[in-house]
Amino acid sequence: NAGVTQTPKFRILKIGQSMTLQCTQDMNHNYMYWYRQDPGMGLKLIYYSVGAGITDKGEVPNGYNVSRSTTEDFPLRLELAAPSQTSVYFCAAQGEDSQPQHFGDGTRLSIL
Amino acid sequence: RKEVEQDPGPFNVPEGATVAFNCTYSNSASQSFFWYRQDCRKEPKLLMSVYSSGNEDGRFTAQLNRASQYISLLIRDSKLSDSATYLCVFLIKAAGNKLTFGGGTRVLVKP
Repeated sequence: NAGVTQTPKFRILKIGQSMTLQCTQDMNHNYMYWYRQDPGMGLKLIYYSVGAGITDKGEVPNGYNVSRSTTEDFPLRLELAAPSQTSVYFCAAQGEDSQPQHFGDGTRLSIL
Repeated sequence: RKEVEQDPGPFNVPEGATVAFNCTYSNSASQSFFWYRQDCRKEPKLLMSVYSSGNEDGRFTAQLNRASQYISLLIRDSKLSDSATYLCVFLIKAAGNKLTFGGGTRVLVKP
């Protein structure tokens, strides 16, 4: 009963490096989301997708890219890591309209 | 006015006591409301949806007041395990089903 799976759980990057945070869900949900949460703060939406092939910007998209080639996968790409991107990243999936979102365990990313 | 406002707390609650807190929202187009629970360094988890008529789930009671644009959460007979941050969340269907999260109310239940 996996739900939403994120990998890796932890990562340390150097400034300027790139990486992809993976997110996959096995619930066949159309809607998927990426959030970041800085220490002591609320969640901020980075990007979201309402279905395969469709993505849109959230509140804080700068420095990130996403793709949604399949219903299951919604990877988040950091091209040029910056210290300001140190955060915890959560992926979430949602089924029908007005239903709650289900979150992955998160990826803790530090950029030094 | 912020889209959603919560008292960050912490609410220090004796074990067995009742605690209640509100969350106000500014967008009257908000259609669905939820309370999520987030433990330290963990992902948010759905605690309960909030229905217009109010709803209860065990020791937890949620209320929605559309006229005054707030939701509330009441926890009865608090347990040590209720210590967490409680996030109010609302959804606007017309905005692509995006959820808006409050910053959370921290609750600390002490023996």
